[in-house]
Amino acid sequence: DAGVIQSPRHEVTEMGQEVTLRCKPISGHNSLFWYRQTMMRGLELLIYFNNNVPIDDSGMPEDRFSAKMPNASFSTLKIQPSEPRDSAVYFCASSYNRGQGGNTIYFGEGSWLTVV
Amino acid sequence: DAKTTQPTSMDCAEGRAANLPCNHSTISGNEYVYWYRQIHSQGPQYIIHGLKNNETNEMASLIITEDRKSSTLILPHATLRDTAVYYCIVRVGRDDKIIFGKGTRLHILP
Repeated sequence: DAGVIQSPRHEVTEMGQEVTLRCKPISGHNSLFWYRQTMMRGLELLIYFNNNVPIDDSGMPEDRFSAKMPNASFSTLKIQPSEPRDSAVYFCASSYNRGQGGNTIYFGEGSWLTVV
Repeated sequence: DAKTTQPTSMDCAEGRAANLPCNHSTISGNEYVYWYRQIHSQGPQYIIHGLKNNETNEMASLIITEDRKSSTLILPHATLRDTAVYYCIVRVGRDDKIIFGKGTRLHILP
């Protein structure tokens, strides 16, 4: 089975540009997560969706960040305008939540973003 | 989510069992214990999870104390490829999200 697929794997962009990160969750999963990892702050949960609906976006740093999940097989994380402090690895993850507990979250390989 | 406490780093000789401790003294009855690891430059990888009973799979064993206030992840025969940061997480059953702490940096020594 294909795992969580993220694109692009690496992106270098100039400050002020729009950045769009993409994620394809594992087929059949109904929850999707976006995490950010930096040396200073570690792994942070930005937002997560259940059945395509945003459930918790309290980790989204500011209005420059937005996330969408138009259907069960696709999600985007957008940064507009980007700033150097947004440089980080962004991970997408997915799981199948039956509401009973014990479900496993699977992570993609990450999108490495550098804003110069 | 209940907080967990892990040592910052540990060393283990290659071929020996690596025992990674985790304290979760405020764990609730419906919270699971999960272990993930992150090898450099890769996404976090699921290892194992449990609620009350000890668990074993092809990667590791999870030993949970009877009072559930602590647990130990055991890698039975550590290899150099097991060098990674290991995260112990407690998570409410119905709650989807995982909140990561700082984890334990495990060094496998040749």
